[in-house]
Amino acid sequence: DADVTQTPRNRITKTGKRIMLECSQTKGHDRMYWYRQDPGLGLRLIYYSFDVKDINKGEISDGYSVSRQAQAKFSLSLESAIPNQTALYFCATSDDRDWAFFGQGTRLTVV
Amino acid sequence: QKEVEQNSGPLSVPEGAIASLNCTYSDRVSQSFFWYRQYSGKSPELIMSIYSNGDKEDGRFTAQLNKASQYVSLLIRDSQPSDSATYLCAVKEGTGFQKLVFGTGTRLLVSP
Repeated sequence: DADVTQTPRNRITKTGKRIMLECSQTKGHDRMYWYRQDPGLGLRLIYYSFDVKDINKGEISDGYSVSRQAQAKFSLSLESAIPNQTALYFCATSDDRDWAFFGQGTRLTVV
Repeated sequence: QKEVEQNSGPLSVPEGAIASLNCTYSDRVSQSFFWYRQYSGKSPELIMSIYSNGDKEDGRFTAQLNKASQYVSLLIRDSQPSDSATYLCAVKEGTGFQKLVFGTGTRLLVSP
C-alpha cells in the first residue's frame, strides 16, 4: 500500500460543483501539503498544515479550502469549481527531519 | 522574484554525457535542499537531499550547494535515456515551521 494515498485519482466535474479531494498517510508525519501542478508553472502550494490545529495558506489558496481531520488525513475542497482549476493535484507529507513524500496525484478536470 | 528558480529547458544531452541542472533560491535562511525527479504524469520522487555546503554524491548523482551564492545544482553522470524527466529543485524555507517550496522544474532529454 502507498504511504500517501489520494482519492479520487481522476475526476471530471462541472463548473459550479463542490468537490473534495482526500489524502491519507501512514508515514506518521505531522506536516501535510496540497500542491497543484500546471504545465510550465511547476508545483504551487495551495495549503499546508503542521498539525491538526494549524492550517496555513499557500501561494494560491483562493477558491480552495482544507480540513485536517486527523494527523493522517488532509482534504482539499473546491467549493464552486471553475475551469481554471483544472490541474494535477498532489498531496505530500513531511516531518521536521524528513523530506516530502507525495501521493499518486489527482487529475481534476472542470468542464 | 520567484523564491526558487530553475531554467525550464529542455536540456538535451547525449547518452553517456554529464547533465548539469541548476537552481537558485531567495531565502537566505534556508537550510534544506532537495532534488526530485518527475516522470510525465507521475508524482515527484526524491533523488537527493543536501544540507551543507559542498558536494554530496550518490551513485551517478552529485548535488552541489553554495549557500553564499544561494545556488544548488545536480549533476548526473553517464546520463541514460531513462533519466529523461523533469527535475524539480525544492527548498525548505523559513524558520521555525518550514514549508517546502518548489521550482518550476527543468526538463531533461537524454538521447540514445
